[in-house]
Amino acid sequence: TQLLEQSPQFLSIQEGENLTVYCNSSSVFSSLQWYRQEPGEGPVLLVTVVTGGEVKKLKRLTFQFGDARKDSSLHITAAQTGDTGLYLCAGTTSGTYKYIFGTGTRLKVLA
Amino acid sequence: SAVISQKPSRDICQRGTSLTIQCQVDSQVTMMFWYRQQPGQSLTLIATANQGSEATYESGFVIDKFPISRPNLTFSTLTVSNMSPEDSSIYLCSVAEGMGRNIQYFGAGTRLSVL
Repeated sequence: TQLLEQSPQFLSIQEGENLTVYCNSSSVFSSLQWYRQEPGEGPVLLVTVVTGGEVKKLKRLTFQFGDARKDSSLHITAAQTGDTGLYLCAGTTSGTYKYIFGTGTRLKVLA
Repeated sequence: SAVISQKPSRDICQRGTSLTIQCQVDSQVTMMFWYRQQPGQSLTLIATANQGSEATYESGFVIDKFPISRPNLTFSTLTVSNMSPEDSSIYLCSVAEGMGRNIQYFGAGTRLSVL
């Protein structure tokens, strides 16, 4: 069974601080996505990474795909209260369109 | 990007009854997925619903408990049958787009409580 473990599980920080969320697996993924989910809503796609070692930036968010395509990280610079939510990574393997979701990281940014 | 509407948005049901959740997409899509998200947890894939063929269920989920219909390329339903309190969850439908089907859009979910 493929598993995507995220760490930390919970994170509470002050506005302006930086943070990194990790997504790790023993499996190789052909692509990996990061989502943010707010209460009462479905997950919203933030980014897709497909190449080992790839780095993508989305304003204050930096996403990296590991060289071996088994892990990924999300770094947020100068967190804002609007970043509060549940962050989920999800991976797909070659030959399938199914998504395996990570265990989730619940982030709370305090004003 | 696809816009997905789910109905109902929430419901409270009695043990032993069934609930059918509807998922409507504003464009034609080949692949639709149904997920379950238990309180405070991540998403677990229930099944893949493809138009013109039977749904493909993941390990731990069976058709008798979660029958799925996919009558056309814009609509699907998931029924939660013979409910128990353990079925209390958020149920989400999604569609996959893009060349590699790696862009996924979700509905807002159906919050189900079983008493």
